[in-house]
Amino acid sequence: DSGVTQTPKHLITATGQRVTLRCSPRSGDLSVYWYQQSLDQGLQFLIQYYNGEERAKGNILERFSAQQFPDLHSELNLSSLELGDSALYFCASSVGVQTGRAEKLFFGSGTQLSVL
Amino acid sequence: KNEVEQSPQNLTAQEGEFITINCSYSVGISALHWLQQHPGGGIVSLFMLSSGKKKHGRLIATINIQEKHSSLHITASHPRDSAVYICAVGNYGQNFVFGPGTRLSVLP
Repeated sequence: DSGVTQTPKHLITATGQRVTLRCSPRSGDLSVYWYQQSLDQGLQFLIQYYNGEERAKGNILERFSAQQFPDLHSELNLSSLELGDSALYFCASSVGVQTGRAEKLFFGSGTQLSVL
Repeated sequence: KNEVEQSPQNLTAQEGEFITINCSYSVGISALHWLQQHPGGGIVSLFMLSSGKKKHGRLIATINIQEKHSSLHITASHPRDSAVYICAVGNYGQNFVFGPGTRLSVLP
């Protein structure tokens, strides 16, 4: 068990809808990362938060947004969903001690999103 | 050319064999990570390294910064090692770039 909790495990929805994925990091970890894994694109970095603030942005669509709350849990909001958004969405956390310093990542078990 | 490449793409081995998975990258990095993803989908971080060599049980990871190359070795492979192994490189902003993965099947 990595200590990172993601909910829900599975989500089935329709095109045009909006969903929220939730992530609770390991106790004490300040950094949260979101990744998307699709069959054709592999794993892609979406966004990183550190102690409530956005720290790095990857290939995140404008229809997607995220935030990290004061209790350090994070939510990824996906709106105007399209068929191509169907993927496994992972959250990971790290200690987040120092900018630029590489840190070990701890992954949640992922949320499988199916857009029908 | 992809920023992170892995070889082989697929690998089938007999139990007990020595296995090597390679990763080459073209970007500047602060560290390289080896991840393991089991069929159920969960991802586990095996190693994080920025130089030299690390060993954990039957797993060994090496990196050559000058050649921008890393290898993951599995000694005395076992069917439970069957998984997808993913190389990920992190730049100084922790903006990870992932390799396409190597699918390993170890047959009993």
